[in-house]
Amino acid sequence: DIQMTQSPSSLSASVGDAVTITCRASHTISSYLNWYQQKPGKAPKLLIYAASTLQSGVPSRFSGSGSGTDFTLTIGSLQPEDFATYYCQQSFSTPRTFGQGTKVEIK
Amino acid sequence: EVQLVQSGAEVKKPGESLRISCKGSGYSFTSYWINWVRQMPGKGLEWMGRIDPSDSYTNYGPSFQGHVTFSADKSISTAYLQWSSLKASDTAMYYCARQSYYGSGSYHDCWGQGTLVTVSS
Repeated sequence: DIQMTQSPSSLSASVGDAVTITCRASHTISSYLNWYQQKPGKAPKLLIYAASTLQSGVPSRFSGSGSGTDFTLTIGSLQPEDFATYYCQQSFSTPRTFGQGTKVEIK
Repeated sequence: EVQLVQSGAEVKKPGESLRISCKGSGYSFTSYWINWVRQMPGKGLEWMGRIDPSDSYTNYGPSFQGHVTFSADKSISTAYLQWSSLKASDTAMYYCARQSYYGSGSYHDCWGQGTLVTVSS
């Protein structure tokens, strides 16, 4: 199985800050990497697929990059509604493993 | 509108059986795999596996193989997740999610609202 490791596990930031979350795969996964946002009590929401393609309707302050084993999710200017937990997921092979999540909290 | 609607919360005793459902609407149900994702209390997302509703072909994650069963009834656009003998450790929120494709990759672009399963004596 491919292991996905996110860092940090949590972070505190202020509205307007730029935030970067990293995701590392245990084996190369080309660009088969998705990012999801989950708010408390809600289902996850797709933000980015294919490492850098923004899902329709997702604000442009979200961006993704990377290929191979190292990936990043960047929030350009944190908004109040962005405080949530973020997960990466690989779609290179089954099982479709997720990272352990990164919780973005208000400073 | 593309939608997945899951069945309601369940409270069961250890050893009991259970089947929860996920009904798709607003799209061709047989054209997209349905994936199941577990989230234990306070924990992250775990991919359980998937089913192709067109022919009920399944893939199971190694941690779930033999512990759960996926099925689908394409005539009513509904996928199911079932247990034959629940354990306390099955207590979790369970999500279904539609799988869409791009080239050789895929992503979950539509999620059900989740079904909370509580197993307690």
